[in-house]
Amino acid sequence: EIVMTQSPDTLSVSPGERATLSCRASQSVFSNLAWYHQKPGQAPRLLIYRSSTRATAQGRFSGSGSGTEFTLTISSLQSEDSGVYYCQQYNDWPRTFGQGTKVEIK
Amino acid sequence: QVQLVESGGGVVQPGKSLRLSCAVSGFTFSSHTMYWVRQAPGKGLEWVAIISFDGNTHYYTDSVQGRFTIFRDNSNNTLYLEMNSLALEDTAMYFCARDMSGYFDHWGQGTLVTVSS
Repeated sequence: EIVMTQSPDTLSVSPGERATLSCRASQSVFSNLAWYHQKPGQAPRLLIYRSSTRATAQGRFSGSGSGTEFTLTISSLQSEDSGVYYCQQYNDWPRTFGQGTKVEIK
Repeated sequence: QVQLVESGGGVVQPGKSLRLSCAVSGFTFSSHTMYWVRQAPGKGLEWVAIISFDGNTHYYTDSVQGRFTIFRDNSNNTLYLEMNSLALEDTAMYFCARDMSGYFDHWGQGTLVTVSS
């Protein structure tokens, strides 16, 4: 199966600053990658699909990359952006998630 | 709007059974592939089972194959997960999720399954 590896494990960012999260696939997934945000006690929420297509109206989230290297950027971090971010590939079976990056607000 | 509401979780002893339900509304349920995804306490996300829009095709992650059964009632807009021979490692929050060509665009709030003696 395709292994998804996210980095860093934890990211601490001040409000208004930029946050950059990375996701690496063990083999090419082309652009078949999604990003989710999960707050404590809540379900994950889809942010990005097809690597860079925004599922949310919140324009501060952007995705990029293809093949094996992907990036999620939060351009100006807000307090409600804290939580865990997961990437997920859907190019191959089984669908696999990264282990998550925890974003903390400084 | 799209809603998915899980129920049926609880505390159960190892070896016992449990049936989870996911009631959906706000979209044409019978047109969508559906998933169960679980999250062990403090851990990441793991897909458990998938069922095609018509219920005729289903797949399971290796660790639940032969113990869990996913099925659906399109007339009542409900997804199910029958879980047998539950083990300690099945303890998790179980989410139902709508498939959108491979990614999950809508999730329920989850139902907690705790396997404990």
